[in-house]
Amino acid sequence: SAVISQKPSRDICQRGTSLTIQCQVDSQVTMMFWYRQQPGQSLTLIATANQGSEATYESGFVIDKFPISRPNLTFSTLTVSNMSPEDSSIYLCSVEGGADNYIQYFGAGTRLSVL
Amino acid sequence: GQQLNQSPQSMFIQEGEDVSMNCTSSSIFNTWLWYKQDPGEGPVLLIALYKAGELTSNGRLTAQFGITRKDSFLNISASIPSDVGIYFCAGVYNTDKLIFGTGTRLQVFP
Repeated sequence: SAVISQKPSRDICQRGTSLTIQCQVDSQVTMMFWYRQQPGQSLTLIATANQGSEATYESGFVIDKFPISRPNLTFSTLTVSNMSPEDSSIYLCSVEGGADNYIQYFGAGTRLSVL
Repeated sequence: GQQLNQSPQSMFIQEGEDVSMNCTSSSIFNTWLWYKQDPGEGPVLLIALYKAGELTSNGRLTAQFGITRKDSFLNISASIPSDVGIYFCAGVYNTDKLIFGTGTRLQVFP
């Protein structure tokens, strides 16, 4: 399984600002995924990020609000733009397990509170 | 849209008891995954299921892929305090995306 590091682990931000979350993997992976977990809720896929191409966003999520970068096979960032209190959530990145068949491995998440 | 419903929503059990939870969908899946999430952590994979009817164990955990391919079940035998957490099922769609269930919150009392 892959080892995934996310930074920051938590942050408290002011309304209207932006936060960039980093996700680093200890091995090269083709696909990385970003999820949102609202308080007390399940995980919802925001977008899929492949290296060298534009991220693919799920219904209800747009690039202007959640721009994603994928500069190489071990790193990705998610920016939460123009934040409001409704953006307070845990944001998690995951990577596919490669030969493990559809399995995804998750980072510990970034706990974001917006005041 | 697709939705995975898990039941029960929460469970409060005594240490040593067995636990059963399930996950149902309106859609067919070819792969089911079960994850556990501890407070302050990301989900950790427990069991992966790839074939209808498949029964797979991981220590005290046993999961089954339902025959209809629209449901899956997870059992925990002889629960211990470290089993506390939230258990999520997930179905794989479009070959690489996961849709997560609503979660079952487990509390174990000594």
